[in-house]
Amino acid sequence: EAQVTQNPRYLITVTGKKLTVTCSQNMNHEYMSWYRQDPGLGLRQIYYSMNVEVTDKGDVPEGYKVSRKEKRNFPLILESPSPNQTSLYFCASSFTFGNTIYFGEGSWLTVV
Amino acid sequence: DQQVKQNSPSLSVQEGRISILNCDYTNSMFDYFLWYKKYPAEGPTFLISISSIKDKNEDGRFTVFLNKSAKHLSLHIVPSQPGDSAVYFCAATLLISGTYKYIFGTGTRLKVLA
Repeated sequence: EAQVTQNPRYLITVTGKKLTVTCSQNMNHEYMSWYRQDPGLGLRQIYYSMNVEVTDKGDVPEGYKVSRKEKRNFPLILESPSPNQTSLYFCASSFTFGNTIYFGEGSWLTVV
Repeated sequence: DQQVKQNSPSLSVQEGRISILNCDYTNSMFDYFLWYKKYPAEGPTFLISISSIKDKNEDGRFTVFLNKSAKHLSLHIVPSQPGDSAVYFCAATLLISGTYKYIFGTGTRLKVLA
């Protein structure tokens, strides 16, 4: 089954404690990205990657890092989480940029 | 400046009637428009799309209309069913520096009443 898998789905953490949200897709997609969804703001892009070892900032990259060492994986790293990073995070992928993108199920992150 | 706007945060429709969800955009360079549906505790799923060179695309109960002169996009669901109750996001793609960028609206919560 074609899917985008994120982990963890739910996490409560404390300010400053580094965490990683993993993302994996089994569709051999080149393009992967991370979004956050906040009330009244819709989906905003954090980072994206056009292929292995190629990443770039989206609209709201501050406080986040990513890496793309393998085509299927695109982890999102919060080096020092802060409460304003409490949000619902989605990983997404597509074959090429511009095509329909497929989303993971989301990761609820709460930073206290 | 928000380039894709969904001005109605919520909409309630009776089962069997038509649901019309609206989206306005500001950038005439968008080349593709998409609608995504999102149920609680799930990721958004692709519903239907339309190229900027077309004015209508239909898929079963779902039809998307594009009015380029008004920079307006709408999604029609006929007939509406309770299972259509979800948050709907419109999105547009834009080619920037050789990369397509997706820009999403804030979403409209549709409730179909049985």
